[in-house]
Amino acid sequence: NAGVTQTPKFRILKIGQSMTLQCTQDMNHNYMYWYRQDPGMGLKLIYYSVGAGITDKGEVPNGYNVSRSTTEDFPLRLELAAPSQTSVYFCASSSFPGREPQHFGDGTRLSIL
Amino acid sequence: AQSVTQPDIHITVSEGASLELRCNYSYGATPYLFWYVQSPGQGLQLLLKYFSGDTLVQGIKGFEAEFKRSQSSFNLRKPSVHWSDAAEYFCAVAASGGSYIPTFGRGTSLIVHP
Repeated sequence: NAGVTQTPKFRILKIGQSMTLQCTQDMNHNYMYWYRQDPGMGLKLIYYSVGAGITDKGEVPNGYNVSRSTTEDFPLRLELAAPSQTSVYFCASSSFPGREPQHFGDGTRLSIL
Repeated sequence: AQSVTQPDIHITVSEGASLELRCNYSYGATPYLFWYVQSPGQGLQLLLKYFSGDTLVQGIKGFEAEFKRSQSSFNLRKPSVHWSDAAEYFCAVAASGGSYIPTFGRGTSLIVHP
């Protein structure tokens, strides 16, 4: 009964390094989302995907890239880490946008130093 | 553009007291409405949702919310708060103008005093 799984849970990066945040879901959901959460700012949408091979930008996509080669996986890539990307990142999935609620992973806490 | 406002950043209540968390949205039509709860170090968990029909909806953990079209509000309530309710609460809205991709409010942090 895994739901949405995110790895790693914590990571410290140096400025300029790159990394991939992993997200996988086992509910066969077509829709997947990446959010970042900063204190007092709620959740901001970075990218989302409506199915394998289809992705689209959200509100704050700069500095990030995504891919969706399978229904299950939706990795988020940081190419050149910057201090402004220090945040908690959440992956979510849903079977259908709007009417159906989102299922969230436990998050990845990322610090850029 | 769709927007969601949670006007209270922090709310402090005593255990056993009643609770109301406010949420207002700006859309032309009735959107899909959600409340989520986030415990420290955890992801978001769905408390309740509203799509249509009865404007008072019941959720998990004794929470309820009322949709008021005239006020564009979807406030969350609980008659008696428990210490375990201390958490961050998020209102989310999905509407056709945003391709039904949910937009979240900034959250309200609930502090419960014994």
